[in-house]
Formats: sequence, structure tokens, C-alpha cells
Amino acid sequence: QVQLVESGGGVVQPGRSLRLSCAASGFIFRTYVIHWVRQAPGKGLEWVAVISDDGSNEYYADSVKGRFTISRDKPKNTLYLQMNSLRAEDTAVYYCAREGLDSGTYFDYWGQGTLVTVSS
Amino acid sequence: SYELTQPPSVSVSPGQTASITCSGDNLGDKYVCWYQQNPGQSPVLVIYQDSKRPSGIPERFSGSNSGNTATLTISGTQAMDEADYYCQAWDSSTEVVFGGGTKLTVL
Repeated sequence: QVQLVESGGGVVQPGRSLRLSCAASGFIFRTYVIHWVRQAPGKGLEWVAVISDDGSNEYYADSVKGRFTISRDKPKNTLYLQMNSLRAEDTAVYYCAREGLDSGTYFDYWGQGTLVTVSS
Repeated sequence: SYELTQPPSVSVSPGQTASITCSGDNLGDKYVCWYQQNPGQSPVLVIYQDSKRPSGIPERFSGSNSGNTATLTISGTQAMDEADYYCQAWDSSTEVVFGGGTKLTVL
């Protein structure tokens, strides 16, 4: 069955860095576009970044552009999110989500999420 | 940037029909999907491409999209349907955009 398992969250000081991972299994990883979506405590969903199936294209939300980098390791079936210059407002549960193959952008599978807390 | 607007809350009696709206400029020209999220859990896709149901989603969930408004309809609402619901679309200016979410209360 399709599984997405995030890891790497934790407590980090403002201005520091953190790298999140998302291990994928149960599907052909290299054929799917994958996204990161976050949710601040008690708030709604916010899209963060996307990487194409072959890893050649990346797009970011304005709120993280220039600070976050999305990447993927196809042999390891793993997605990453490198987060630099972290701010308090980056505190959230971070989900990786698989984009469905039909027309329109939608997420058919989500991971369980990993909590990032930015605090001094 | 593109924005989607949802009502913060909707209430419905058990067995009745719940309608949750999602508004955006010319939203009918875009594909809309809907997610259900229970407290402490990950979102679950319940509608995609405006009106399609993924495998395993009950038939009581349906969707429509026209003009500036998309609607998620839950017929014969059950207590287990009480959750937060988010609409989502794609726009060239903002890539993926989510609505602010609607808390559905079944009482």
C-alpha cells in the first residue's frame, strides 16, 4: 500500500536550519510529483513546495522562497525539504503529499506529518 | 495572488444535507478538490476534479463547481462526518491554493 513517512522535525532556534525527509513506498516514486504542505497549530493548510517527477522543476510558496529547498533522491525513494533561516512563523506540522495522476492538482495520499517548532 | 474563501463553520443535523462552499474568481474554470481532516490526523481526499470520489469515499459525498463557487455536499450527514473540510485548487499565480477551512458540526 502507498505510504509516505515524514521525519526530521523537532525544536530549532530561529535562524537555524533543519532538513525534513519523506520516505515513500508502495508506488513507483519516480513517476509522481510530490509536494510539501504545512499546517501551523490550530490553523489551515498551506502549500509549501513542489518537485516534478524527474526532479527537474521546483516551485515554492512566496513565504519560503529563497529559504527552503525541495529535492528528491530517486534511488532512495525519498523526498527532502531543506529549511534554512527558520522563523517562528515556520512552526507547523509538515506533510508530504503525493499528487494524483489525473488532470488537476490534487493530493491522493498524505504522510502523517512531522512537527517543526521554531523557538528560542 | 489567488484566494479561496470558505465559511469558518457549518452546522447540520444528523441525516440532513450539509453544503460547504468555496469561492474564488472564475473558480469554475479550475479543477477543485476537497479534503476532510479529523483532529490530529492528516487530510484525506474526498472529492477531486470537482465531483469525482476516490475509492473508499462514501457516495453521500458529492461536489460541484460553477461560476465562482464550488460546493461540497454531504447527503444524509453522519456524526462521523464532523471534521474540518478544505477546498483546494491550482492557479498559475500561486500554484496550489487552499481555502481557509470549514468546521462541520453535526448536532
